[in-house]
Amino acid sequence: SQTIHQWPATLVQPVGSPLSLECTVEGTSNPNLYWYRQAAGRGLQLLFYSVGIGQISSEVPQNLSASRPQDRQFILSSKKLLLSDSGFYLCAWSVTKKLFFGSGTQLSVL
Amino acid sequence: QKEVEQDPGPLSVPEGAIVSLNCTYSNSAFQYFMWYRQYSRKGPELLMYTYSSGNKEDGRFTAQVDKSSKYISLFIRDSQPSDSATYLCAMSDGSSNTGKLIFGQGTTLQVKP
Repeated sequence: SQTIHQWPATLVQPVGSPLSLECTVEGTSNPNLYWYRQAAGRGLQLLFYSVGIGQISSEVPQNLSASRPQDRQFILSSKKLLLSDSGFYLCAWSVTKKLFFGSGTQLSVL
Repeated sequence: QKEVEQDPGPLSVPEGAIVSLNCTYSNSAFQYFMWYRQYSRKGPELLMYTYSSGNKEDGRFTAQVDKSSKYISLFIRDSQPSDSATYLCAMSDGSSNTGKLIFGQGTTLQVKP
């Protein structure tokens, strides 16, 4: 069966520091991969998606970037975090129109 | 107007009640409809998946889609305290192979024992 791993679960970072969140999927090949952000009291915002290695589409211009160095690995990065980057970050993968989420990373930028 | 509207609640019901959660949408091209359940500080979990109009039942959960009214519902029978969570509706037109979904804001449900 397919599983998705996302870490860390919680992260507290100072403003201006770099960020790297990693997500890996097991049990499937060539999945579509996604990064979502969920701010407090708000819905899910799609940040990036990838249909293959090295293929990244950005949905919202911002302080973040994404990379897919391997088929089942998706990385969310920032060179310098802003206060507004705080939120709950979710990695997800899809097959046949269904979307499956990881456990999420709660990022607090202070 | 947002593409998907969902009453944020919170909705509080006694244990055993029937719960109705709803979403309206504006894009008539939507064909795939989903409901997710999200516990606090956890990732959303796919609960129900429906294609086009009609009903789908899974245990205590029933999903309904009325495309003519652009309205979808999730019913929970015999609600339990463990059903306390935020419920998100999601949908897509299926036109791309990326699986991108449009989400509602989520409705927070509390089931009191």
